[in-house]
Amino acid sequence: EAQVTQNPRYLITVTGKKLTVTCSQNMNHEYMSWYRQDPGLGLRQIYYSMNVEVTDKGDVPEGYKVSRKEKRNFPLILESPSPNQTSLYFCASSLGLSPLHFGNGTRLTVT
Amino acid sequence: GQQLNQSPQSMFIQEGEDVSMNCTSSSIFNTWLWYKQDPGEGPVLLIALYKAGELTSNGRLTAQFGITRKDSFLNISASIPSDVGIYFCAGQLYYGNKLVFGAGTILRVKS
Repeated sequence: EAQVTQNPRYLITVTGKKLTVTCSQNMNHEYMSWYRQDPGLGLRQIYYSMNVEVTDKGDVPEGYKVSRKEKRNFPLILESPSPNQTSLYFCASSLGLSPLHFGNGTRLTVT
Repeated sequence: GQQLNQSPQSMFIQEGEDVSMNCTSSSIFNTWLWYKQDPGEGPVLLIALYKAGELTSNGRLTAQFGITRKDSFLNISASIPSDVGIYFCAGQLYYGNKLVFGAGTILRVKS
């Protein structure tokens, strides 16, 4: 089944403790992206990647890092999480002109 | 960054009623997309629009790409309880360009 898989689905952590949210897609998509969803703000792009080893900042990249060493994986790294990064995170991918496919989300709470 | 104005923010309607929501932008897009998000899930694509003036249907859903390329609307006819969720519009200027999302319309249906 074609899908975008994020892990974990839920994560509670403390300020400053490095964490990684993984994202994997099995559709051979070139384009991958991370979004955060906050009430009243919709989905805002954090980082995106047009292909392997090609990444670029979205609208809200501060406090996040990404890497794209392989086509299928696009992890989101929070080196020193802070409470304002408490949010619902979505990974998405697409091929060519096709619309984005989204994962099921990771709900992160930073205390 | 760019923003889309999506309205209404929320709707609480009677089962069987028709629903209309829209998105406007200060800048043009070449693609308009409509997504639906169920609780605990990632957004799922409902309708994609690629041409100004295009009117596309998907079952009870109809969406239009505004002729100015700065707006789009989504109509749902004869709403049913499973229509509840958050509906997002999204605009894209060209492939590889980021997808800009509206803040979402929360739809509740009372049976």
